[in-house]
Amino acid sequence: SQQGEEDPQALSIQEGENATMNCSYKTSINNLQWYRQNSGRGLVHLILIRSNEREKHSGRLRVTLDTSKKSSSLLITASRAADTASYFCAAYTNAGKSTFGDGTTLTVKP
Amino acid sequence: KAGVTQTPRYLIKTRGQQVTLSCSPISGHRSVSWYQQTPGQGLQFLFEYFSETQRNKGNFPGRFSGRQFSNSRSEMNVSTLELGDSALYLCASSLAPGTSSDEQFFGPGTRLTVL
Repeated sequence: SQQGEEDPQALSIQEGENATMNCSYKTSINNLQWYRQNSGRGLVHLILIRSNEREKHSGRLRVTLDTSKKSSSLLITASRAADTASYFCAAYTNAGKSTFGDGTTLTVKP
Repeated sequence: KAGVTQTPRYLIKTRGQQVTLSCSPISGHRSVSWYQQTPGQGLQFLFEYFSETQRNKGNFPGRFSGRQFSNSRSEMNVSTLELGDSALYLCASSLAPGTSSDEQFFGPGTRLTVL
């Protein structure tokens, strides 16, 4: 399996609910970044968490990082229909190489 | 501040042809990375340029090449196009890799279709 795998592959929730996506990676990282992509467009940067950080918040987003388990999670609270998109994690090594996961497709129903 | 721009946005080529895609990073950003996105393989790293030098390279054949100019603009070239090269090619820029300012910002992509 590839580094930077997301779980679940697809998630469908009602507006107002929370959405949690998980990401696993294989090698040591410098940082991990989460992105959102709408329908085959460019990626929008959401949040960066460094290897020495455990948790980070940005608005309705909360990201955690567990380097011992080589995993990260993205929590979107109080979801909105506009949050419908694909979400990707990308693991960045100290050498600067990045590996993206396959993404989680989130559908938020109004 | 303008975001990352990519040209052209859409491109149709035939097998055997070559193509050049262009990326202009955010002003002040010196690192440019290229990615290929396909339904089957997902997002795959092609290469990264910093200060006109290729800093990292992904696992793509030599038909894929790139360069960066002194103004940090970057181009990637694909020669002898194959059907499997049809993809969304994304460019991303950051201030400098491996620093505290290494958040990557992506452009809208170039959709390449090879017939």
